[in-house]
Amino acid sequence: GENVEQHPSTLSVQEGDSAVIKCTYSDSASNYFPWYKQELGKRPQLIIDIRSNVGEKKDQRIAVTLNKTAKHFSLHITETQPEDSAVYFCAAELGYTGNQFYFGTGTSLTVIP
Amino acid sequence: NAGVTQTPKFRILKIGQSMTLQCAQDMNHNYMYWYRQDPGMGLKLIYYSVGAGITDKGEVPNGYNVSRSTTEDFPLRLELAAPSQTSVYFCASNSLGSPEAFFGQGTRLTVV
Repeated sequence: GENVEQHPSTLSVQEGDSAVIKCTYSDSASNYFPWYKQELGKRPQLIIDIRSNVGEKKDQRIAVTLNKTAKHFSLHITETQPEDSAVYFCAAELGYTGNQFYFGTGTSLTVIP
Repeated sequence: NAGVTQTPKFRILKIGQSMTLQCAQDMNHNYMYWYRQDPGMGLKLIYYSVGAGITDKGEVPNGYNVSRSTTEDFPLRLELAAPSQTSVYFCASNSLGSPEAFFGQGTRLTVV
């Protein structure tokens, strides 16, 4: 099956700085890569996603990049704010298995005011 | 729409007991999933279903069973609970052609 690795496991940044979280995947057949944000005690919620036919996608302060050749994708958060503090999960979907998601182990992001 | 609803939110079980975690969605989604989330870890897929009457194993199915008799409901059954099943369980769903998965609020299960 697919194997998704995520780094770093913890990340602290000063408010206003940028944060970058990286993920790698193993199965070249994966074709959909969502990022989920999970605030303490709450459910994961989708914040941005990218498909394998796109190299970059941006939504306000959040962007995701995908390198299919190297099989890695990254989440970029600019001008971080305290409310960005949460655990972020990347995932890869093996489309041919019918929407089966494989998640990374998560990155705990702390934005220091 | 309520989205994905899980019950209960919290539960303490004794070793060897059994229970059913309930999950219901009102978005007419084809796909439903059960994940477990251990402390400091990602989400591991237990079972999933692509439609009523169809279920399949994920990465960590041992000790669990599921059924999907309707589109809306996807209960997860734990038989003979073990301490290793202490975890937070999330149900999720999405629809054919729309990969965004919607999660329930989670069930925190402790087996003592």
